[in-house]
Amino acid sequence: QSALTQPPSASGSAGQSVTISCTGTSSDVGGYYYVSWYQQHPGKAPKLLIYEVTKRPSGVPDRFSGSKSGNTASLTVSGLQAEDEADYYCSSYAGNNKFVVFGGGTKLTVL
Amino acid sequence: EVQLVESGGGLIQPGGSLRLSCAGSGFTVSSNFMNWVRQAPGKGLEWVSIVYSGGSTYYADSVKGRFTISRDISKNTLSLQMNTLRVEDTAMYYCARGTGDTAPIAFDVWGQGTMVTVSS
Repeated sequence: QSALTQPPSASGSAGQSVTISCTGTSSDVGGYYYVSWYQQHPGKAPKLLIYEVTKRPSGVPDRFSGSKSGNTASLTVSGLQAEDEADYYCSSYAGNNKFVVFGGGTKLTVL
Repeated sequence: EVQLVESGGGLIQPGGSLRLSCAGSGFTVSSNFMNWVRQAPGKGLEWVSIVYSGGSTYYADSVKGRFTISRDISKNTLSLQMNTLRVEDTAMYYCARGTGDTAPIAFDVWGQGTMVTVSS
């Protein structure tokens, strides 16, 4: 059982937007501005998409955006493209005890 | 190019030991938060261990007392010594660089992973 809760699946048509939620507690998501999101295609390593809730590493399209409210963070993918079909994981810093916790992952399907 | 390459995985019997290595290039491993993250087949990601740039080490409760993380500064490598392996340790093991000044706030560079299978 993962520390952070994500929906197991999400879907949207090409060109549409989809939002994936990530719910934690005040000890992780709600307590720090250190939520990150990762994209993982089958058989590949995860790739950092968002860090510090809203920041994008160089090279990540601005179609990917992040936000947070209280204990819940969200990833929005706008203008869905076929290559966005992948698993998405959220994570949060959780202090000097658990350090980093992950969500269980959300499989995004582009219809 | 900044890169991490893991090695050392394989099939091992329960109770056995295995040592994973992760070679860094394009940056200095010892100057960063370096982590091991694992993923059981068909499952999500699980943080395993971290070594801070200053040398402090920390572990997930699930591996504490059995796994040891270390660095070789001269070889620019990260290692994970895994002892008393259990069936539930079966996973793809990734090394990952952590960003942040005082805490590992995200993992920005990942290796391709090395598979560890614990089975009799």
